[in-house]
Amino acid sequence: KAGVTQTPRYLIKTRGQQVTLSCSPISGHRSVSWYQQTPGQGLQFLFEYFSETQRNKGNFPGRFSGRQFSNSRSEMNVSTLELGDSALYLCASSLIVGTNYNEQFFGPGTRLTVL
Amino acid sequence: GQQVMQIPQYQHVQEGEDFTTYCNSSTTLSNIQWYKQRPGGHPVFLIQLVKSGEVKKQKRLTFQFGEAKKNSSLHITATQTTDVGTYFCAGRAGAGSYQLTFGKGTKLSVIP
Repeated sequence: KAGVTQTPRYLIKTRGQQVTLSCSPISGHRSVSWYQQTPGQGLQFLFEYFSETQRNKGNFPGRFSGRQFSNSRSEMNVSTLELGDSALYLCASSLIVGTNYNEQFFGPGTRLTVL
Repeated sequence: GQQVMQIPQYQHVQEGEDFTTYCNSSTTLSNIQWYKQRPGGHPVFLIQLVKSGEVKKQKRLTFQFGEAKKNSSLHITATQTTDVGTYFCAGRAGAGSYQLTFGKGTKLSVIP
């Protein structure tokens, strides 16, 4: 089975621009979560999608948004980029059976640099 | 909101020494997961603990979940250079919670 894929792997943007990151989960996984990883703050939860519905959102400003498509692929968007948005953005998919939450499989991440 | 604290932040050990990282949650958890992230890599799942007082072993790794389901630990016996990386705990609050809250991780360095 193919793993979680994320595109692009690297991105350089300037302040004020917007960016869209893409994530393709493992086949059959309907839950997709997004995280921001920085050296100082560790892994911070952005949001989780399941069957095209956002079920939970972390403590991030409204500039951070996402969506999930019917094939479970997900995108996240950051508008009006700030220097502090420079980070590794990780996507993780999970197979949820009933109320049993299983392990999360992470993609390689997108390294975003904001200049 | 839920907070997960992890200590220590860094640990340097000689190869062959033991290593332990501790995780404490501000709220009772329904389950806790542990992940390892190698330098330059992404987090990889190690284990999930669900029951109060649960202890699980994977070769040289021992995982514990506290009786109150608010703390957990990972112990590595006789570290090897392959153990290098950052170890994260991640907790999920009660039923209906879709959010996994990660600790900030413990970065392990092993000196050969």
